[in-house]
Amino acid sequence: AQTVTQSQPEMSVQEAETVTLSCTYDTSESDYYLFWYKQPPSRQMILVIRQEAYKQQNATENRFSVNFQKAAKSFSLKISDSQLGDAAMYFCAYRSGQTGNQFYFGTGTSLTVIP
Amino acid sequence: EAQVTQNPRYLITVTGKKLTVTCSQNMNHEYMSWYRQDPGLGLRQIYYSMNVEVTDKGDVPEGYKVSRKEKRNFPLILESPSPNQTSLYFCASSLYAAFLERGEDTGAFFGQGTRLTVV
Repeated sequence: AQTVTQSQPEMSVQEAETVTLSCTYDTSESDYYLFWYKQPPSRQMILVIRQEAYKQQNATENRFSVNFQKAAKSFSLKISDSQLGDAAMYFCAYRSGQTGNQFYFGTGTSLTVIP
Repeated sequence: EAQVTQNPRYLITVTGKKLTVTCSQNMNHEYMSWYRQDPGLGLRQIYYSMNVEVTDKGDVPEGYKVSRKEKRNFPLILESPSPNQTSLYFCASSLYAAFLERGEDTGAFFGQGTRLTVV
């Protein structure tokens, strides 16, 4: 089974500042997908951003971007201009692009945004 | 609107009383799965299904059952709930990986979650 590690159980950021959430994963595959999901207090799991491993270019979605380092097996999420609505639990997830359907999740990072 | 509908959202029950959590998706996804979320452990897969009548165990299947009689529905059954099954449960659906072209993976779509308490 693949493992996904989020080493920061909690993070905080001042409103309008930038924060980076870390994620590392372990795999021997070359073809896979990586995701960041946001879980606000409503509990809904919301897809924030995804990255295909074969793409060298880092994915971006408005204020959210990733730093994908394939050789280092690292997939960090950068949130720019943080807003109060960004406060949530963030989960990193891995899915095989070859054989797998299962998503493997990290343990999550709880992000607090300070006004 | 593409969605996964999961019910109920909250459930308190007693030990040993059978219960079912329903899950339905309207995206014609082949792959459906159940996760439980516990503090410090993230989301762990309980069971999954790759299509109608095809189900298999995930990482934490003990004490759970599932069925997939129709493509859209994937209920989770707890035959005899115990307090250690108190958790937050999610149903999810996604496209079958083998059918995807590169760049097509849209990730998993999740239900609203079910907060289960077993006393």
